[in-house]
Amino acid sequence: GAGVSQSPSNKVTEKGKDVELRCDPISGHTALYWYRQSLGQGLEFLIYFQGNSAPDKSGLPSDRFSAERTGGSVSTLTIQRTQQEDSAVYLCASSVTGGPTEAFFGQGTRLTVV
Amino acid sequence: GENVEQHPSTLSVQEGDSAVIKCTYSDSASNYFPWYKQELGKRPQLIIDIRSNVGEKKDQRIAVTLNKTAKHFSLHITETQPEDSAVYFCAAIRNKLVFGAGTILRVKS
Repeated sequence: GAGVSQSPSNKVTEKGKDVELRCDPISGHTALYWYRQSLGQGLEFLIYFQGNSAPDKSGLPSDRFSAERTGGSVSTLTIQRTQQEDSAVYLCASSVTGGPTEAFFGQGTRLTVV
Repeated sequence: GENVEQHPSTLSVQEGDSAVIKCTYSDSASNYFPWYKQELGKRPQLIIDIRSNVGEKKDQRIAVTLNKTAKHFSLHITETQPEDSAVYFCAAIRNKLVFGAGTILRVKS
C-alpha cells in the first residue's frame, strides 16, 4: 500500500476485555512508532521499534500494554483487561530509518471502552 | 530522554495576521525538528522540518527557525487563512520522535 494502514478504524470493547490493534507500515520502513491521543490531547509516545534493535518501551503506561513487530513489518499493540481510561485514538507511524527522516502516520484506531 | 515543550497551547489570530509557535528541547544531541499539522479528525501530517545544521527554512507562508545554542525552534505562519486552523505539533529527534503538547491555532475570518 501507499501509506501506513491501521486496523480496525474503530473498536468498541467492554471493560476487562483484551484488544489487539494492528499497524501495517510503509514497505521498507525500519522505524515504527505507536502513540496514544486522548480527546483534545497531544501525542503520547508508547513504544518505538527500530530495525532489529530492542524496542523502546519507555512510554507504555502499564504492564497491560504490550506490542510486537513481526518480521520487521507489521506491528500489533495489545491492551489486556481494558479500562475506560484506555479510550483514545491509537496512532501508528513509520519512517525510513529511526534517524532524521519524516514519519508518516496511519489514520488511527479509535478505541472506546464501555 | 528528550523532552519537548511547546507554547502557547492555544492561539487565536485574525485572518491575514501572523502566528508564531515556539518549542524548546532538552537533548542537545537532537538533530531533526519536524512540525506536524493535524486537522480535526485527521492524522498528523508533516508541514515543514529543519535539521540541526540549518538556522532557518521557508516554504511559502511557513517558516521555521532553529537556535541550537538556546535549544529553541519556532514555526512562523504569515498571512494566515481559515484553512490554517488546526493543531500544530513540534517534535525533536535524536533516536526517536518526541512531540510537544500541541498548539490549537484558530484563524478568525
